[in-house]
Amino acid sequence: DIQMTQSPSTLSASVGDRVTITCRASQSISSWLAWYQQKPGKAPKLLISKASSSESGVPSRFSGSGSGTEFTLTISSLQPDDFATYYCQQYNSYSRTFGQGTKVE
Amino acid sequence: EVQLVESGGGLVQPGGSLRLSCAASGFTFSRYNMHWVRQAPGKGLEYVSAISSNGDSTYYANSVKGRFTISRDNSRNTLYLQAGRLRAEDMAVYYCARDGFPNFDFWSGYYMDYWGQGTLVTVSS
Repeated sequence: DIQMTQSPSTLSASVGDRVTITCRASQSISSWLAWYQQKPGKAPKLLISKASSSESGVPSRFSGSGSGTEFTLTISSLQPDDFATYYCQQYNSYSRTFGQGTKVE
Repeated sequence: EVQLVESGGGLVQPGGSLRLSCAASGFTFSRYNMHWVRQAPGKGLEYVSAISSNGDSTYYANSVKGRFTISRDNSRNTLYLQAGRLRAEDMAVYYCARDGFPNFDFWSGYYMDYWGQGTLVTVSS
């Protein structure tokens, strides 16, 4: 299976900060990467697919980039509603795998 | 509006079994591959199982292979996960999720666009 490694595991930030989360794949996954946001007690919410395509309704402060094995999720100006845990997920193959998550606190 | 509503979770003893259900509405269920993802308390997301839109193809993570069975009833718009020989490490919130594109090739992989609210499975004596 393809392993996904996120960094950092925890990120301390303040409202207005620019935040960057990195996700690395153990082998090339082209651009077959999604980012999800999860708040406590809630289901994950899809933010970005195909590495950089934002879902409808997702604020423009969220952006994704990368291809191959290295990807980033950037929040340009952190808002109070953005404190959550973020997961990357590869879907290059049917055995989809998630990163371990990054908690933004 | 797309809705996925899981049910069937609860307390079960080690070695026991449980059937989880996911009732779908707001979309043509029979056109979508469907998935189960779980999350142990305080842990990350783990991809568990998937089934093709017509039910002919299935996938299981190694951690559940041989113990869990995924199925669907397209006439009832419902996804199932029969979880057997349960272990302490199976304790988790189980989410059902929809493929992000209808009739996508099951073996090619796709992201999941809609998720249910989850159902908690507790394994304890």
